[in-house]
Amino acid sequence: QSALTQPRSVSGSPGQSVTISCTGTSSDVGGYNYVSWYQQHPGKAPKLMIYDVSKRPSGVPDRFSGSKSGNTASLTISGLQAEDEADYYCCSYAGSYTLYVFGTGTKVTVL
Amino acid sequence: EVQLVQSGAEVKKPGESLKISCKGSGYSFTSYWIGWVRQMPGKGLEWMGIIYPGDSDTRYSPSFQGQVTISADKSISTAYLQWSSLKASDTAMYYCARTTSELPLGGFDYWGQGTLVTVSS
Repeated sequence: QSALTQPRSVSGSPGQSVTISCTGTSSDVGGYNYVSWYQQHPGKAPKLMIYDVSKRPSGVPDRFSGSKSGNTASLTISGLQAEDEADYYCCSYAGSYTLYVFGTGTKVTVL
Repeated sequence: EVQLVQSGAEVKKPGESLKISCKGSGYSFTSYWIGWVRQMPGKGLEWMGIIYPGDSDTRYSPSFQGQVTISADKSISTAYLQWSSLKASDTAMYYCARTTSELPLGGFDYWGQGTLVTVSS
């Protein structure tokens, strides 16, 4: 099972919006509505930002939103803030044999 | 408050065995799956395997099947990740994490702080 494909980096100025893509196959992203997104600051554990494609856990700002079209899921950060600078990973359910697959990770830089 | 607390950093030699732990609290430990995730130095997240402490049902990523063993002791709300013979390439941070629901479908909502394993001669 190959890792899901994410861009290595994206950047934006404070207040702008950025979107991170996560491309898989019909066996993972495209086959199930179980995509989650994680934020990881340097030296810290990952933090769940979005689950089940577009649901936000309690406490996650509504600036973060998720969507999916076909085999590609997306995370959008609106109104970019300095504290959003971090690595972001997508993860998808991939069936009862593989179960999960993570994305390659994207570094978000706030200019 | 839901918490997952992992055991401390380890320094081991190649060929040695190791078992690291992840203790859950603040929720019903037997009702959610616990997964293990590897992060090699400077690299991304890799899903290793998952266990349901309620009945010890365990699933492994094909990439890690046979390389590690995942177990749990529900009497002390603790999950484990173990190696029988470590390699230098096992050097990484290892995280445990709880699933968002009772089924291993959605994401992982609570994470341990990580256990750094260093394997060096």
